[in-house]
Order: sequence, then C-alpha cells, then structure tokens
Amino acid sequence: AQSVSQHNHHVILSEAASLELGCNYSYGGTVNLFWYVQYPGQHLQLLLKYFSGDPLVKGIKGFEAEFIKSKFSFNLRKPSVQWSDTTEYFCAVNALWDDKIIFGKGTRLHILP
Amino acid sequence: SQTIHQWPATLVQPVGSPLSLECTVEGTSNPNLYWYRQAAGRGLQLLFYSVGIGQISSEVPQNLSASRPQDRQFILSSKKLLLSDSGFYLCAWTHGSRQNAEAFFGQGTRLTVV
Repeated sequence: AQSVSQHNHHVILSEAASLELGCNYSYGGTVNLFWYVQYPGQHLQLLLKYFSGDPLVKGIKGFEAEFIKSKFSFNLRKPSVQWSDTTEYFCAVNALWDDKIIFGKGTRLHILP
Repeated sequence: SQTIHQWPATLVQPVGSPLSLECTVEGTSNPNLYWYRQAAGRGLQLLFYSVGIGQISSEVPQNLSASRPQDRQFILSSKKLLLSDSGFYLCAWTHGSRQNAEAFFGQGTRLTVV
C-alpha cells in the first residue's frame, strides 16, 4: 500500500537555526508532492508543491523543498527559522494514476525564542 | 473564487447516536472530494474520497460511511457512533485533475463521542 513517512515527529530548534524535515514515500510512478502547514485556528494550508520540472521548489514564508526521485524523498527546508514557524507540518503525496492523497503523520516543530 | 463549507464546527454526541457531517464546495464543478480524520500523532487518515456523484471509495473499513448526493456535497455518516469515532474530521476538495491535485481544506469538525 502507498505510504508517506515523516521520520521526525517532533523537532525543537532555536531561532535562526536551519531546518530540514524529512519526507519519504513508497509510491511507484509519477507523483505530485506537497507540504501543508496547520497554524492554530486556521485551515490546513499549502506550503509548497511539486508537480513537474525543477525538483527544487520554493513556497511561502521562505520554505523550499527538493524532490529526489531516486530516494523517493521530498524534504522541507528553511535556512533560518523564526519563532512563528512553530506549528505542525504535513507531507502529502498523490500518484498520477490515482485520486487518493495520502498524508504523513506530521512533524511538530517547536522554535525556541 | 472557490470556498468550502464544513459544519458543524464542534459536536458532542452520545455513544450509539447517529452522525451526519456535511461539506459543500462553492465556485467549482466536478471536484474530487475527500474526508480525513486527524488524530494527534497520527496525521491525516484518509477515510473516503469521491470523484463524482454517487461514487465513493472507502479507505478504512470502520463504523462510518460517506455519500455524495450532489456534485458539490459530501456527507459523512454513522448509524451508531462509537467512542473511538471521536476526532477531528476534515473535508477537502481538489479540481479533479490528477495533474493538479492540490487540496483545499475546510475548517474541520471536532467530534466528541461521550
């Protein structure tokens, strides 16, 4: 069965530190890849997405992610985190031969001021 | 612009009672519709999805069912709630194109079964 793995369940960093959250998927074939974020009291919202083309994609708030097909990975990065980045992040995958969108279990990020 | 409405926002129901959560989308046609359940530490679990009226795919066999009576309406139901049905339920839609499967989420319903 298709699955999405987020290996870091809880990450604690200091402000200005660099961030990398891991995401691996088990699909074969062509996929769409997403990172979503859920701020308190708000809708789950899209941070960035990869459909095709340049494997390095940039999203909102200085986030970026790199699709490495050979590693089935789509890790989220940010060079310098802020206290306001404290929240939960979800990786999601959709295969082009399917209509399901499968999410990982999430990574809770806590930034120390 | 497209919007998604999900209600109610919170719900407290006794064990054994029925459930009906409704989700509607405005401003688009033929969307794919999804129901997820979110539990702490478990991410978003896909429960059901639908690519058209009357077409329901179930991902997790359980005490819940889904229906799509109209193009932009998606309903999550149960005949008899269990304690384990408590959780945060999210409805989402996509444009229906597999080349553009970005999902847009509703505000969610917090269900507590007592």
